[in-house]
Amino acid sequence: SQKIEQNSEALNIQEGKTATLTCNYTNYSPAYLQWYRQDPGRGPVFLLLIRENEKEKRKERLKVTFDTTLKQSLFHITASQPADSATYLCALDNQAGTALIFGKGTTLSVSS
Amino acid sequence: NAGVTQTPKFQVLKTGQSMTLQCAQDMNHNSMYWYRQDPGMGLRLIYYSASEGTTDKGEVPNGYNVSRLNKREFSLRLESAAPSQTSVYFCASNKLSGGDSGANVLTFGAGSRLTVL
Repeated sequence: SQKIEQNSEALNIQEGKTATLTCNYTNYSPAYLQWYRQDPGRGPVFLLLIRENEKEKRKERLKVTFDTTLKQSLFHITASQPADSATYLCALDNQAGTALIFGKGTTLSVSS
Repeated sequence: NAGVTQTPKFQVLKTGQSMTLQCAQDMNHNSMYWYRQDPGMGLRLIYYSASEGTTDKGEVPNGYNVSRLNKREFSLRLESAAPSQTSVYFCASNKLSGGDSGANVLTFGAGSRLTVL
């Protein structure tokens, strides 16, 4: 069955540094991969989607890479700010393409 | 635009009681989903509805039933609540991103926190 692993439960960095979060998956070749942000007490919010034929995608201070050979996506936040503190989830379509499966998330804490 | 609205936000039940979590979306989305989120387990799919009139099981459907009442509404029912169903429940609907047709980009509600004693 498909597996998604976000190999850090928590990541602590200083303001201004670049945060890098990792998402690995197995037993599947997804057409695209998504990243969501979740704040405490709220539902996840969509951030970025990257397709299998895209190596990299950017949105403001966010950058996502997708390596289908390594079966890995990296999520970068440059010039991080305390307001970036949240849990970040990666997600893939299930093999039937009918729903998303999610990693367990990485909780990022940015200190000033 | 309210997006996805879930009620109630909080509920405490006793073991064996029943209840229904309500979800409504005003975005004219076709697909709707129920997930549960537990510490250390992440988000797990309970049931989904690809369109009005259809429902399918997800990863953890046991102990739950769903109803797709119409295009807007998708409810989740616990017939006989158990402590193992203590969780935060999220409803979501499928948004098709403008440049990514066919992608299951989800819009989530704020969640319903359920405690079963």
